[in-house]
Amino acid sequence: NAGVTQTPKFQVLKTGQSMTLQCAQDMNHEYMSWYRQDPGMGLRLIHYSVGAGITDQGEVPNGYNVSRSTTEDFPLRLLSAAPSQTSVYFCASSYSSRIYGYTFGSGTRLTVV
Amino acid sequence: QQPVQSPQAVILREGEDAVINCSSSKALYSVHWYRQKHGEAPVFLMILLKGGEQKGHEKISASFNEKKQQSSLYLTASQLSYSGTYFCGTETSYQKVTFGIGTKLQVIP
Repeated sequence: NAGVTQTPKFQVLKTGQSMTLQCAQDMNHEYMSWYRQDPGMGLRLIHYSVGAGITDQGEVPNGYNVSRSTTEDFPLRLLSAAPSQTSVYFCASSYSSRIYGYTFGSGTRLTVV
Repeated sequence: QQPVQSPQAVILREGEDAVINCSSSKALYSVHWYRQKHGEAPVFLMILLKGGEQKGHEKISASFNEKKQQSSLYLTASQLSYSGTYFCGTETSYQKVTFGIGTKLQVIP
């Protein structure tokens, strides 16, 4: 049971490049979310999903796309990276967040130069 | 919209108590509490559902006043291991959980 796996752990991008942050869980969790963490800003919700094929926007969705084709995977795509997207990104999943809360991945530290 | 946490930071000596507050301007389905150590991912502590219940385990407990959309986390007889940043997460629509900016807690000997 690997839990929530995020790859890569570190990434440096140039402004304008695109990339996909991967998130996979092997716990058969229906609910998955992406957050970004910046100093003094806490955790901000980017996108979330309540099941395969169902996604919705969070607080800061601009510049990011998601899809959920399987229960296990929830990739986050940066369309055209900007320095403002420099952050630590966390993926989280839950079987039932109202009982068990969310399990977070170890994070991806992204720097856009 | 992010919930509002207070205080933003607190320093305790071992054995002292602390209360961290969380409030929202929106109606809540649930309130989550997490702790994050430096350089690590947040870890789930507990969840409170509508109904005004109080939950807890050992020396960490929490309450939820759904009429006021407020929750409080109580840490009693603090230990060095309690140090970290505490986040409240509020569920304002189905499975949409937004977090506050966090409360940094430091416990010193």
